[in-house]
Amino acid sequence: NAGVTQTPKFRILKIGQSMTLQCTQDMNHNYMYWYRQDPGMGLKLIYYSVGAGITDKGEVPNGYNVSRSTTEDFPLRLELAAPSQTSVYFCASSLRPDRVYEQYFGPGTRLTVT
Amino acid sequence: AQTVTQSQPEMSVQEAETVTLSCTYDTSESDYYLFWYKQPPSRQMILVIRQEAYKQQNATENRFSVNFQKAAKSFSLKISDSQLGDAAMYFCAYRFFGNEKLTFGTGTRLTIIP
Repeated sequence: NAGVTQTPKFRILKIGQSMTLQCTQDMNHNYMYWYRQDPGMGLKLIYYSVGAGITDKGEVPNGYNVSRSTTEDFPLRLELAAPSQTSVYFCASSLRPDRVYEQYFGPGTRLTVT
Repeated sequence: AQTVTQSQPEMSVQEAETVTLSCTYDTSESDYYLFWYKQPPSRQMILVIRQEAYKQQNATENRFSVNFQKAAKSFSLKISDSQLGDAAMYFCAYRFFGNEKLTFGTGTRLTIIP
């Protein structure tokens, strides 16, 4: 199993550009998540999905969109990039949350908006 | 709203010694899960240890153990026989039973002194 994979690893965007961060998991997890980690801070939840076709907002959803057409993939779309979106983005997946199942994280994407 | 507080931004310990990282949390729930994640310079988030709130016994994983004080809402991580590979950011995280959302603290940077 590759676990959770993310592409790209690094990206520099100009203000106003758009991009999609890709996330794929091969563990057949229903739950998937997108987090952002700002310097010196913990992770904050952007969006999550409980299964294909179902998504919901987390703490900091503004400026982002997601879709979940398959169990494996959960892309994060940034529209009109702003410097405030400079961060490290992590995708994660897990089994059902009514047990102490851990979330498995991808390696992260470092995004800089200038 | 649940909050997780890590009051030690940085800690250091001599190799082979023991160190304890502090974490407190605020919740009105009685059934929840607590986690410690390690983030080395590679950025990968790695689960170190987990604790179910209904269990009185403290979790242990090899050199890692926790001191879970439910009434005090405290969840500290003890690392015994510290090794150079333990150097990383350590994040405490909380999740309410049946809820998808992980709430993270701001992290403690652990340095191991050879």
